[in-house]
Amino acid sequence: KAGVTQTPRYLIKTRGQQVTLSCSPISGHRSVSWYQQTPGQGLQFLFEYFSETQRNKGNFPGRFSGRQFSNSRSEMNVSTLELGDSALYLCASSWSNTGELFFGEGSRLTVL
Amino acid sequence: SQQGEEDPQALSIQEGENATMNCSYKTSINNLQWYRQNSGRGLVHLILIRSNEREKHSGRLRVTLDTSKKSSSLLITASRAADTASYFCATDPSNTGKLIFGQGTTLQVKP
Repeated sequence: KAGVTQTPRYLIKTRGQQVTLSCSPISGHRSVSWYQQTPGQGLQFLFEYFSETQRNKGNFPGRFSGRQFSNSRSEMNVSTLELGDSALYLCASSWSNTGELFFGEGSRLTVL
Repeated sequence: SQQGEEDPQALSIQEGENATMNCSYKTSINNLQWYRQNSGRGLVHLILIRSNEREKHSGRLRVTLDTSKKSSSLLITASRAADTASYFCATDPSNTGKLIFGQGTTLQVKP
């Protein structure tokens, strides 16, 4: 069974640009969550989707948005990038939203 | 703020020794999870312990949970160089799928 796939794995952007990250969950998983990991703040919850509906959202500005498609694939978008958005963005999928999460390898974003 | 705080922040041991990491949390929980992260990679789920469980084993891993003290510990026995990684505890106080992670313990196992 294929794991969680995130693309791209690495990307470099400049301030003010926007970025879209993609996540393909494990087949059959309907819940997809996104986390941001930085050395200073650690792992922080961004949002969670289930059957195309955002069920939970973390404390991030509106520049961070996401969506989930009917095949459970998810995307997150960050607009007007700031230097502080440089981070490892991790996607995780699960059968439901409680219990074990299966993480992808992450998308490492560098903002210059 | 972080729900979980882990101790120690860093741990260095020799292969074959045991490694113990501790996690404290602030609010009541339904379960607590432990994850491992190799440098710059994704997280791998290790074990989930429910609030009505006191101890759980999985291979060389032993997790304890003390809800009265709001703390958990992860013991890795007979450590190997491949155990070198960061270890995180995570809770979901609101039971909504919003996991709150501790800052993690970085474990180095020297061959």
